[in-house]
Amino acid sequence: DQQVKQNSPSLSVQEGRISILNCDYTNSMFDYFLWYKKYPAEGPTFLISISSIKDKNEDGRFTVFLNKSAKHLSLHIVPSQPGDSAVYFCAAIYPGGSEKLVFGKGTKLTVNP
Amino acid sequence: DVKVTQSSRYLVKRTGEKVFLECVQDMDHENMFWYRQDPGLGLRLIYFSYDVKMKEKGDIPEGYSVSREKKERFSLILESASTNQTSMYLCASTRPGAAHEQYFGPGTRLTVT
Repeated sequence: DQQVKQNSPSLSVQEGRISILNCDYTNSMFDYFLWYKKYPAEGPTFLISISSIKDKNEDGRFTVFLNKSAKHLSLHIVPSQPGDSAVYFCAAIYPGGSEKLVFGKGTKLTVNP
Repeated sequence: DVKVTQSSRYLVKRTGEKVFLECVQDMDHENMFWYRQDPGLGLRLIYFSYDVKMKEKGDIPEGYSVSREKKERFSLILESASTNQTSMYLCASTRPGAAHEQYFGPGTRLTVT
């Protein structure tokens, strides 16, 4: 059973517009969420995170929103740039002090010039 | 600058061969992880280790084993490679209590023919 879901395998946006990547989760015990970015032939790199005690975290062009009641989070990229084209993974930390992450399947973002 | 290195970027092996994938980190991290990434399936945890000689199964350990003889090195072993183990393998490390700060290596693209 998939606990972290990214239902859109791909997203295409124009340069300068907003990119919104969505993620849903099923386990209400998750209390920390992360977004990773992955370019082809490279390992994922950490992008931004949010604790369940917050509903928003912002870092430059990247903002993550968390709606706990809906078990939904989203990553907003404004303005989108061609260099943002990558696969974005949503992840949650296993509850109970585990060191493990559970990842979604990823969304491939393409930003067109 | 933190660094996780993997012994090979690309590897081609035959069915039935024993395969070793090596991962080394220079951050003195206790925790190390092995994932595989497949299109449409995201990152799935194979094994992780929270200390030397300690290991724990992840979500998909079947067909794999691991070895952690030194803190900086975590090896993934395919005892008898099969074609369904063709994948991108990613190693990661983090310090205890910092699951949100996993650092990934560049990955090894393994093809089993």
